[in-house]
Amino acid sequence: ETGVTQTPRHLVMGMTNKKSLKCEQHLGHNAMYWYKQSAKKPLELMFVYNFKEQTENNSVPSRFSPECPNSSHLFLHLHTLQPEDSALYLCASSLSDTGIKTYEQYFGPGTRLTVT
Amino acid sequence: AQSVAQPEDQVNVAEGNPLTVKCTYSVSGNPYLFWYVQYPNRGLQFLLKYITGDNLVKGSYGFEAEFNKSQTSFHLKKPSALVSDSALYFCAVRDMEGSGTYKYIFGTGTRLKVLA
Repeated sequence: ETGVTQTPRHLVMGMTNKKSLKCEQHLGHNAMYWYKQSAKKPLELMFVYNFKEQTENNSVPSRFSPECPNSSHLFLHLHTLQPEDSALYLCASSLSDTGIKTYEQYFGPGTRLTVT
Repeated sequence: AQSVAQPEDQVNVAEGNPLTVKCTYSVSGNPYLFWYVQYPNRGLQFLLKYITGDNLVKGSYGFEAEFNKSQTSFHLKKPSALVSDSALYFCAVRDMEGSGTYKYIFGTGTRLKVLA
């Protein structure tokens, strides 16, 4: 186990539903990330939080809404999704990159999302 | 902007033979390069990174990678492949946004299949 947990592991939702993905880390990290993994595509960075502040929003549609209440927890709120949003959503954490030192990321197992 | 390319979707190798998974990169400054592995139904796991120093980097599970500046490559290698090495491998490069924040650009992944 990497110390990063994600719930639920699988989620099926209709296009009009509202749901949330949860990520939790107990590694003492201060940066957290959401990625989207689709088949045959590069891993897409969606959001980055450093010390609970959002530092990156990679042109993600507003139907995805992140929340980071503290350095250990990260949420991804979902509403009115489209079928093309079906993918594996991965959460990761790391120590904050200082520019001089860069740190590897620790990933959770992901949530497999299917939008019907 | 930085980028990485993994030219092979899949690599097949016989158990006990050496393996190589290719990665080339494009950066505007000093490269910070990573390899991650993803086993089925799991998140990505860090294998190794190159920041500076020795061109041959050693990582987890007997893997190593060779940084070649003239060829802008960072190929992943292992002297003797195991069936349990079968997984999806991702190369990544650190990118820096104009705001001074850092993010990681991942390749499309290479599926390694080790045949018994």
